[in-house]
Amino acid sequence: AQSVTQLGSHVSVSEGALVLLRCNYSSSVPPYLFWYVQYPNQGLQLLLKYTSAATLVKGINGFEAEFKKSETSFHLTKPSAHMSDAAEYFCAVRNAGGTSYGKLTFGQGTILTVHP
Amino acid sequence: DTAVSQTPKYLVTQMGNDKSIKCEQNLGHDTMYWYKQDSKKFLKIMFSYNNKELIINETVPNRFSPKSPDKAHLNLHINSLELGDSAVYFCASSQAGPGQGRGNTIYFGEGSWLTVV
Repeated sequence: AQSVTQLGSHVSVSEGALVLLRCNYSSSVPPYLFWYVQYPNQGLQLLLKYTSAATLVKGINGFEAEFKKSETSFHLTKPSAHMSDAAEYFCAVRNAGGTSYGKLTFGQGTILTVHP
Repeated sequence: DTAVSQTPKYLVTQMGNDKSIKCEQNLGHDTMYWYKQDSKKFLKIMFSYNNKELIINETVPNRFSPKSPDKAHLNLHINSLELGDSAVYFCASSQAGPGQGRGNTIYFGEGSWLTVV
């Protein structure tokens, strides 16, 4: 079975500061990893994904993530936080099994707060 | 144009009632999903359909019955609603098919907030 763990249910940063949201995965096969963002009372929007190509993945809104196999990590970063980045962020792994019907298994989520 | 749309967005109902949530996607995808987000914001898959065929059923009570009249629609019917069914239900879709792998993005709807009183 595959799983992801997000370290830190809440992260608070100042506007302009570095954002670092941690995600570690567990998988017996090469993982496909995703970061989604959920704004209050809204659905999930894909930020970026890793699908075994480049290990540094750039996404929307200035976010990027680096796949590190040796650390089994896929941390999400943004150099400079904006107030509009305040939301909940979910890391997810796509189920392996020889089919692309695979489900997404989500981490517990990290709430990002940005203060002036 | 909304890619994955669900109705209703908000639903308040009494215990014991039967309710349905409808979902439609206009992305031309052949796989659709229902996910449940509980009060602690934990997201878990409930069902997955591919071309109207049930692929995944994650130990969901029989009171929950998905129906897919065509590959663009996946509705969720819930019988005898219980307090514990209160949650946000997300419909989602993706493109599957041979050779396309697990890298395909799953697109989510805006969610349906169900409150059982």
